[in-house]
Amino acid sequence: EIVLTQSPGTLSLSPGERATLSCRASQSISFNYLAWYQQKPGRAPRLLIYDASTRATGIPDRFSGSGSGTDFTLTISRLEPEDSAVYYCQRYGWSPMYSFGQGTRLEIK
Amino acid sequence: EVQLLESGGDLVQPGGSLRLSCAASGFIFRNFAMSWIRQAPGKGLEWVSSITGNGVTTYFTDSMESRFTISRDNSNNTVYLHMSRLRVGDTALYYCAKGGRATGRWFDPWGPGTLVTVSS
Repeated sequence: EIVLTQSPGTLSLSPGERATLSCRASQSISFNYLAWYQQKPGRAPRLLIYDASTRATGIPDRFSGSGSGTDFTLTISRLEPEDSAVYYCQRYGWSPMYSFGQGTRLEIK
Repeated sequence: EVQLLESGGDLVQPGGSLRLSCAASGFIFRNFAMSWIRQAPGKGLEWVSSITGNGVTTYFTDSMESRFTISRDNSNNTVYLHMSRLRVGDTALYYCAKGGRATGRWFDPWGPGTLVTVSS
């Protein structure tokens, strides 16, 4: 089973700065089958990125995904207060079909 | 606009059963996989189960495969999660989500969730 490890656990930054969130897989993820989600308190998760680097519909270009193999990154540029949330990576593909990382909490000071 | 609405969450005793429903609208339901993902209070996301668009193939997390089943009714645009032999550890907010493809892939969008509480 592929395990996803996200780092850091918590990230505290100021508006206008850039956030770099990491997702590392225990084995190589084929075809870059990796997605990123944003979850705000009391809300359902929202898809940001799929196939490692494709932005979902309606997602601002401040959000970008990169990486391949075992190392993936979500970058959020020009941070805004509304970006405060927990961010999860998720792999999809083969048995078991899906798994999530444990999440990174982003706080905007 | 794609909309998903879960229902069926309730307080149930350990060992009990429950059926969750997710009504979908705004897209061609049979063309997309559907999934259930849960989130225990204050915890992260845990994938539960998925079903392909045609309903032929289902997938489960190993720890739930013998207790949960997933099904769908493509004529009524609804997906179900049948849960049996419920445990306290199954207490969570259960989300349904539309897959990116007929076979699944990413989850988009998600419904608001339905709360299952397993307690005596």
